[in-house]
Amino acid sequence: DTEVTQTPKHLVMGMTNKKSLKCEQHMGHRAMYWYKQKAKKPPELMFVYSYEKLSINESVPSRFSPECPNSSLLNLHLHALQPEDSALYLCASSQAWGPYGYTFGSGTRLTVV
Amino acid sequence: DQQVKQNSPSLSVQEGRISILNCDYTNSMFDYFLWYKKYPAEGPTFLISISSIKDKNEDGRFTVFLNKSAKHLSLHIVPSQPGDSAVYFCAASASTSGTYKYIFGTGTRLKVLA
Repeated sequence: DTEVTQTPKHLVMGMTNKKSLKCEQHMGHRAMYWYKQKAKKPPELMFVYSYEKLSINESVPSRFSPECPNSSLLNLHLHALQPEDSALYLCASSQAWGPYGYTFGSGTRLTVV
Repeated sequence: DQQVKQNSPSLSVQEGRISILNCDYTNSMFDYFLWYKKYPAEGPTFLISISSIKDKNEDGRFTVFLNKSAKHLSLHIVPSQPGDSAVYFCAASASTSGTYKYIFGTGTRLKVLA
């Protein structure tokens, strides 16, 4: 298995909703990442997990809450989002947190209404 | 401040010819570089990487060149194929920072014409 699987592929949520994005990989990768990508912009790093510990939080608002229950799973819990949070959310993994290429999932297209 | 720049938003090339995608960076501490391609509705796919200790890395039809003095890297695709039509991102990181936070460029849309 050489994939990163993200669910759901599309999500529409209201500003008062609570939802979660899920990411799964079975490549034995020990680093996992959340990126946010707006239209016509490059992906921007949000969080890095290394060996299931949060290593980087790029000053992301607390309405985004990451969780790494085990080495294969990464969640992003969403609460009280704003319309400007609408974007493509990409999960990625790599062998370790270091000079390695990432494997990206196909992303979750999030729309906040 | 955009530390990684891809100044050409788009590029069209005839099938079979060479595609050259360019990337410039401003941070001299960057020492590891990646290229990704992205199809619509899919996540980026890793293509090729290069470390600052090298000036060239090849993988099949893809070659990345690094010019450290000019803070410039380029991706050559030879021969170009219609399936190569995608958005290409370069990304850079500085290992000396103790982290590997990749900064992505804004991307270049490549269109290979049959």
